[in-house]
Amino acid sequence: NAGVTQTPKFQVLKTGQSMTLQCAQDMNHNSMYWYRQDPGMGLRLIYYSASEGTTDKGEVPNGYNVSRLNKREFSLRLESAAPSQTSVYFCASSLGAGEAFFGQGTRLTVV
Amino acid sequence: AQRVTQPEKLLSVFKGAPVELKCNYSYSGSPELFWYVQYSRQRLQLLLRHISRESIKGFTADLNKGETSFHLKKPFAQEEDSAMYYCALRRGATNKLIFGTGTLLAVQP
Repeated sequence: NAGVTQTPKFQVLKTGQSMTLQCAQDMNHNSMYWYRQDPGMGLRLIYYSASEGTTDKGEVPNGYNVSRLNKREFSLRLESAAPSQTSVYFCASSLGAGEAFFGQGTRLTVV
Repeated sequence: AQRVTQPEKLLSVFKGAPVELKCNYSYSGSPELFWYVQYSRQRLQLLLRHISRESIKGFTADLNKGETSFHLKKPFAQEEDSAMYYCALRRGATNKLIFGTGTLLAVQP
């Protein structure tokens, strides 16, 4: 049972480049989340999706877009990467108000 | 607005000493509170949630609505408890899950 799978694990981008971080879960969870983790800032919610077809902004949505493709997949897109978006990104999912399960993270560096 | 505050970035204790990781929250409704833990090179995982009222790995946490706190406690720290601990709050209607800034617990031998 894979749980929550994120791709890629590592990525280096040049300023202005675009990319999409992929996330998939196989637990039939309805809620999915994208966070970024920065030293001293903890985990900050970028976007979340309470169910298939719905997405909502979190604490730090600027510079990002998301797409809840289906119940399994929730992707995060950076249209024009900036050095300030250098971070570790985590995807998570939960069944309603239950425990959130996390992916292994994507370490993104923007130069 | 909902907010979770963890005032300590680093807590260093000796093995066998008591541990208390502080967490305060602000939320106007009835909160659901959690502690998540991230061990070195592992995924973030749930440690405990307030509605379960259980003890996991010797840790307990009590929700104090009067003080809006959910502190994590363990009477005798072990070296394997060294990790990053995050307090989190969920707003029930939307399942939106907000985390604090985390506290790194270092248990010295």
